[in-house]
Amino acid sequence: NAGVTQTPKFQVLKTGQSMTLQCAQDMNHEYMSWYRQDPGMGLRLIHYSVGAGITDQGEVPNGYNVSRSTTEDFPLRLLSAAPSQTSVYFCASSYGGIGTEAFFGQGTRLTVV
Amino acid sequence: KNQVEQSPQSLIILEGKNCTLQCNYTVSPFSNLRWYKQDTGRGPVSLTIMTFSENTKSNGRYTATLDADTKQSSLHITASQLSDSASYICVVSETSNTGKLIFGQGTTLQVKP
Repeated sequence: NAGVTQTPKFQVLKTGQSMTLQCAQDMNHEYMSWYRQDPGMGLRLIHYSVGAGITDQGEVPNGYNVSRSTTEDFPLRLLSAAPSQTSVYFCASSYGGIGTEAFFGQGTRLTVV
Repeated sequence: KNQVEQSPQSLIILEGKNCTLQCNYTVSPFSNLRWYKQDTGRGPVSLTIMTFSENTKSNGRYTATLDADTKQSSLHITASQLSDSASYICVVSETSNTGKLIFGQGTTLQVKP
C-alpha cells in the first residue's frame, strides 16, 4: 500500500508564481487535510475535506485553494506565492473524524524566494 | 484558545536510558489525545491514541498516560535506542464532526550512543 503520496518532495518558487501541491491516498479515506509545519510551531490546518465535493477552511487558509473532485485526490493550490508561505506542507487522510487515526504523507518542502 | 504545550522543547539522552515527555492541553471539549513520532524529513506517524476514559496505552517501548482531570499527558520511552531520535508530537482532537486536531510544537529527542 502506498498510503498517502505527496508530490513534489521539494519545490522552489519565485514570489508571485502559482503552483499545485499534489496529494493522493489509496486507502479510500473520506477525510483529507492539509497542514503546514513551521519551525517552533505545531502543525497548522490549512484546509480540509470530509468527502468528495466538500471542502472547508482551517486555521490558516489565506493564499491557498483546494478542491476534492475524487475521494483519492486533494490538491493544494498556491495562488500567488509569498515568502511567508515558505514551509513544509503535509497532507493527511483518515477514514473517519473523531477517534480515527490520521495518516500523513512524506511532506513537501516549499521555498519561496 | 485551545492549546497544546509540550516540554521539554528538546532532550538528549544516552542509549539504553529511559525518558519522559510531557504534554499539557487546554482543548475543550476533548475527544482524544494522540502521540506521533516524526523522523527528520518524514511525516508524523501515530504511536498511540487515547480517549478521555483511558489512563494508559502502550505501543512496544512507548507508554502514554493521560490524566483528563488535570489535562496532562506523558510519553515514556523505555530502554531508548538510536532509532528513537525524532520529534515527538502531542495532538489533541476536538469533539466536533471533523475531529480537528490541535498540535503541540513537539519535543526533539536525540539518543546518543
